[in-house]
Amino acid sequence: QTVVTQEPSFSVSPGGTVTLTCGLSSGSVSTNSYPSWYQQTPGQAPRTLIYSTNIRSSGVPDRFSGSILGNKAALTITGAQADDDCDYYCVLYIGRDVWVFGGGTKLTVL
Amino acid sequence: QVQLQESGPGLVKPSQTLSLTCTVSGGSISSDDYYWNWIRQHPGKGLEWIGYIDYSGSSYYNPSLKSRLTISVDRSKSQFSLKLRSVTAADTAVYYCARGGASGSPDYWGQGMLVTVSS
Repeated sequence: QTVVTQEPSFSVSPGGTVTLTCGLSSGSVSTNSYPSWYQQTPGQAPRTLIYSTNIRSSGVPDRFSGSILGNKAALTITGAQADDDCDYYCVLYIGRDVWVFGGGTKLTVL
Repeated sequence: QVQLQESGPGLVKPSQTLSLTCTVSGGSISSDDYYWNWIRQHPGKGLEWIGYIDYSGSSYYNPSLKSRLTISVDRSKSQFSLKLRSVTAADTAVYYCARGGASGSPDYWGQGMLVTVSS
């Protein structure tokens, strides 16, 4: 069974830069994995930040960017702000019309 | 802008079938550009992709749920639906419907609906 891995938690200082990653338990992430990234605050539906590796969803500030770093997908947040303090999820296409979400990263801004 | 809204019973008894509908507005459910996803989130846990249906009516499922799952579409009502059979307490979750873009990954999300499985 394919598992999508994310850091369980991460911390960043206000104004700082943080890179969250999204990997596969076996194999490498590529653009063919169509990685997408979501931001979720408690009690709310996820908000789409990035899709197809590096395309920002409408209205998402350019502080958020997506890329492939090595064998993982990455979400970089620059100029971290207090309201970036929430959960981040990635999803990957693993083939045969199956998508798998990562377990999520809880980002703390302090 | 496309909007999605989940509806259905918020309480289902064990062993019964969980049935939810997602109504799409502000965009065509018949467009071949999009996929129509169901995703769930167990209380306090992460997101789980359930499956999606494409413009042709072909559906694709999470292998772990496939034996209990049916996703269908009613284009005349601009709706797509989820049926999950033989539910247990482990199926208690917030269920989201979401549009998938050209690649299939969710882009626009509904607000979500809590479904509790309990007698």
